[in-house]
Amino acid sequence: QKEVEQNSGPLSVPEGAIASLNCTYSDRVSQSFFWYRQYSGKSPELIMSIYSNGDKEDGRFTAQLNKASQYVSLLIRDSQPSDSATYLCAVKNTNAGKSTFGDGTTLTVKP
Amino acid sequence: EAGVAQSPRYKIIEKRQSVAFWCNPISGHATLYWYQQILGQGPKLLIQFQNNGVVDDSQLPKDRFSAERLKGVDSTLKIQPAKLEDSAVYLCASSLDSFGTDTQYFGPGTRLTVL
Repeated sequence: QKEVEQNSGPLSVPEGAIASLNCTYSDRVSQSFFWYRQYSGKSPELIMSIYSNGDKEDGRFTAQLNKASQYVSLLIRDSQPSDSATYLCAVKNTNAGKSTFGDGTTLTVKP
Repeated sequence: EAGVAQSPRYKIIEKRQSVAFWCNPISGHATLYWYQQILGQGPKLLIQFQNNGVVDDSQLPKDRFSAERLKGVDSTLKIQPAKLEDSAVYLCASSLDSFGTDTQYFGPGTRLTVL
């Protein structure tokens, strides 16, 4: 079992729809959770970080964390073609100072 | 604020040759990471430094890969000898501290092709 697992994708949604990206992790003591966006040929850039159970909203993006279920998700509302990218989930055990990335889910938003 | 700098951006070598990559982190960032990203996969941590000490190098193939961060600032990653399967993008990232909740900032990466 991988330490961080994401929907294998690819995920395709029409413009204006909600895109839902999911991530599960195996290390129960993980405390910090990050979503990165990576455009083709570019390096990852941070979209959202979340540390507490519940929802965190930032513009069109909402991160949801459920530590009991070891699950974190990212919702993108009103998806735009510019959102087309690979989304990477990263999980950090701050005690160990160790971060682990998933393999990413590729999202395509069709005009 | 300047971002993470890496060089070179692209490198093509033949198998069994050696190659070195350089990274300069964001000023003041104690933690520096080297990742290998193979096409279609997420970044895989090779080595993590806190200042000039190693936090994690469990996935570094030590028979061929080496890395150093002598003065706790910039870092070099070396591969000697290279294999075909080393073809990947090598990403350097930095963060304020290994043991905090802060995020990592990535450099542009070095795309290595081994022929």
